[in-house]
Amino acid sequence: NAGVIQTPRHKVTGKGQEATLWCEPISGHSAVFWYRQTIVQGLEFLTYFRNQAPIDDSGMPKERFSAQMPNQSHSTLKIQSTQPQDSAVYLCASSLDPGGARDTQYFGPGTRLLVL
Amino acid sequence: AQSVTQPDARVTVSEGASLQLRCKYSYFGTPYLFWYVQYPRQGLQLLLKYYPGDPVVQGVNGFEAEFSKSNSSFHLRKASVHWSDWAVYFCAVSMDNYAQGLTFGLGTRVSVFP
Repeated sequence: NAGVIQTPRHKVTGKGQEATLWCEPISGHSAVFWYRQTIVQGLEFLTYFRNQAPIDDSGMPKERFSAQMPNQSHSTLKIQSTQPQDSAVYLCASSLDPGGARDTQYFGPGTRLLVL
Repeated sequence: AQSVTQPDARVTVSEGASLQLRCKYSYFGTPYLFWYVQYPRQGLQLLLKYYPGDPVVQGVNGFEAEFSKSNSSFHLRKASVHWSDWAVYFCAVSMDNYAQGLTFGLGTRVSVFP
């Protein structure tokens, strides 16, 4: 079991450019979560898919951020017109059973995004 | 909305000494509580989790945590710390019965010295 895979591990973009982050959940897991980690704000929930359908995007910034899950094996987080304040580690997690809050979320290593 | 407070940003402990990390949550309902650890340059790993039942939960690597509804707390303990426990520890809460994004505390950075 390779765990949750996130690519790239590091990404540097210029201000105003687009950044796409990829996540491959653990095989068989039905729920995929995205979080953002910064020193100041800590770990913040962004969005969540269950069986590829978007369920909760209450943590997503209303502008420039979007997430998709086109198939069960990967999800993408896209940031348009990146700004320096978007610099953070973006974490993806997956869980086996979307029906229960008790289910463990398994985290990937994260993508460290730096916007210059 | 639920929230999690970890009052200690940093804790320094000697190897072999005991460790307690504090976590207070705010939620009106049945919380599901988690402790995650983040080792240097690694992702988050689950240490243990609580859902309604025995208030003392055993985790990996000798960690345990105790849930207290009256104190709204979920403190983490370890009897004897090892140098490999040098990491950042996060407390998190989820609510009710459906899967959702976790709400995390800001974390406690633990440094272990010989």
